[in-house]
Amino acid sequence: GENVEQHPSTLSVQEGDSAVIKCTYSDSASNYFPWYKQELGKRPQLIIDIRSNVGEKKDQRIAVTLNKTAKHFSLHITETQPEDSAVYFCAASIPNAGGTSYGKLTFGQGTILTVHP
Amino acid sequence: NAGVTQTPKFQVLKTGQSMTLQCAQDMNHNSMYWYRQDPGMGLRLIYYSASEGTTDKGEVPNGYNVSRLNKREFSLRLESAAPSQTSVYFCASSELPGTGYTFGSGTRLTVV
Repeated sequence: GENVEQHPSTLSVQEGDSAVIKCTYSDSASNYFPWYKQELGKRPQLIIDIRSNVGEKKDQRIAVTLNKTAKHFSLHITETQPEDSAVYFCAASIPNAGGTSYGKLTFGQGTILTVHP
Repeated sequence: NAGVTQTPKFQVLKTGQSMTLQCAQDMNHNSMYWYRQDPGMGLRLIYYSASEGTTDKGEVPNGYNVSRLNKREFSLRLESAAPSQTSVYFCASSELPGTGYTFGSGTRLTVV
């Protein structure tokens, strides 16, 4: 099955700096890569996602890049703010045998991001 | 619009007891999932239901059973709870295959 590795496990930055979290996946058939943010005691919430036919996607201060050849994708947060402090999870989805996907996501281990004022 | 609702929010069980975690979604989603979250291990898939009437094992199904009662509801049952099942359990749903999940608020389960 799919395996997703996420690094770093913890990341500490100063307010206003950029933060980058990287994930690698094992199955080259994976075609959907979402990122989730989980605040303490809350549910994970989707913040951005990218499909395999796209190399980069931006939404205000966050962006995701995908390198299919190397099988890795990254989350970039610019101009970080204290409210960005949370656990971030990457995930990957593999299509089923028929080419569609059940949306069955395999998650990375998570990155604890701390933004210091 | 409640989204994905999980009950209970907290539960303490003794080893060997059984219980059912309930999940319901009001978004008319086809697919539903159960994950467990443990420190340092991310979210691991227990079982999923791609559509009403179907269920499949995920990464860590041992010790669990599921029922897709109808399109809205997907329950997770622990027949004989073990301390290793102490975790936070999240239910999720998605409208179409390959789209992002909507998670419930989670159930914090402790088995003593």
